[in-house]
Amino acid sequence: DVKVTQSSRYLVKRTGEKVFLECVQDMDHENMFWYRQDPGLGLRLIYFSYDVKMKEKGDIPEGYSVSREKKERFSLILESASTNQTSMYLCASSLPTIYQPQHFGDGTRLSIL
Amino acid sequence: EDQVTQSPEALRLQEGESSSLNCSYTVSGLRGLFWYRQDPGKGPEFLFTLYSAGEEKEKERLKATLTKKESFLHITAPKPEDSATYLCAVQAMEYGNKLVFGAGTILRVKS
Repeated sequence: DVKVTQSSRYLVKRTGEKVFLECVQDMDHENMFWYRQDPGLGLRLIYFSYDVKMKEKGDIPEGYSVSREKKERFSLILESASTNQTSMYLCASSLPTIYQPQHFGDGTRLSIL
Repeated sequence: EDQVTQSPEALRLQEGESSSLNCSYTVSGLRGLFWYRQDPGKGPEFLFTLYSAGEEKEKERLKATLTKKESFLHITAPKPEDSATYLCAVQAMEYGNKLVFGAGTILRVKS
């Protein structure tokens, strides 16, 4: 089974802090994704990566950046956290070919005070 | 304009009361439609992929079907443990490998 592990289940940070969310997958997947999930808005794609050191903007990249130095690890960075970034953050991975499902971690619930 | 719409937003069923959830989509060049189950505080868990109209997939009490414009997730004789949020997502030519998600249907099954 695919295992996608997010480093923290719950995180509380203060406005203006630089925040790192880490994600590791153990299935050698090329593709990795970061989403945020908010009530009534569903899952929205922040950034994704098709390969090491590769990144592409999703639908809501503003205020975020990512890093992929190793194939199994994809980090989401909030450069200067703001209260409107309080959300559930979900990481996913998939094989590179089309039709492949994405497999999700259990999420990080981030609160920015 | 929403590309993926799920209905109803919430559904309450008695145990054993069969029903269906709907996922309609307006994308062109559909490559695949994915169903996920999400329990509170957890990430979405993959259930099915459907590729072409007329296709059906089954898993325990769940059966997913696909037409050219929508998909149904049929739940037969549900049990309380089927309570969850069910998400559908589409992959289309215009989006590459990205998925576009619907907002989900919250299912509650009471015993």
